[in-house]
Amino acid sequence: EADIYQTPRYLVIGTGKKITLECSQTMGHDKMYWYQQDPGMELHLIHYSYGVNSTEKGDLSSESTVSRIRTEHFPLTLESARPSHTSQYLCASSDAYQETQYFGPGTRLLVL
Amino acid sequence: SQQGEEDPQALSIQEGENATMNCSYKTSINNLQWYRQNSGRGLVHLILIRSNEREKHSGRLRVTLDTSKKSSSLLITASRAADTASYFCATDESGANSKLTFGKGITLSVRP
Repeated sequence: EADIYQTPRYLVIGTGKKITLECSQTMGHDKMYWYQQDPGMELHLIHYSYGVNSTEKGDLSSESTVSRIRTEHFPLTLESARPSHTSQYLCASSDAYQETQYFGPGTRLLVL
Repeated sequence: SQQGEEDPQALSIQEGENATMNCSYKTSINNLQWYRQNSGRGLVHLILIRSNEREKHSGRLRVTLDTSKKSSSLLITASRAADTASYFCATDESGANSKLTFGKGITLSVRP
């Protein structure tokens, strides 16, 4: 079991609200990733970071933003949630030398 | 365009049977990985095969890679009901700096 945590696990929120999805890992990994996954579909990379103060946009355009102030923490923020943001968000990490990624349990977001 | 495409999309077998899942990809890769996802959870890494390898084993898992055909297969032998999950192939493309591209996944159901 990987030491990577996501909170909340489930979130139901109204349109226009600001939300932050938390992701923390205790493995000291430099690389962290955010994926978006709709039910039964593939994962799409939306943000990644190769270390503190490093953030990049992924292959799928997203209105969310991320920050990486500490190695272990990689929060994702939506300033104004919309129903189109309803999805599952998965956080992952890997170290500089590993090619595999460790995933958190995910956050299921429902925007009404 | 999608890098990894799994085949079949869904597979239902009896406990004890072998399950074979296929993945095709489009570009040059450093390695190909298989992940498993139980319903509503994060992904768990199963096995990685590098571009210069042709076959790899891990417990009941056997993965093959044919770079000339840009394809891979995952074989699960002597399947168990607990193997019921979605399985994803992910490619680490050459020059992509450890970013993975995931396929849509294969839903495996193992009937007791």
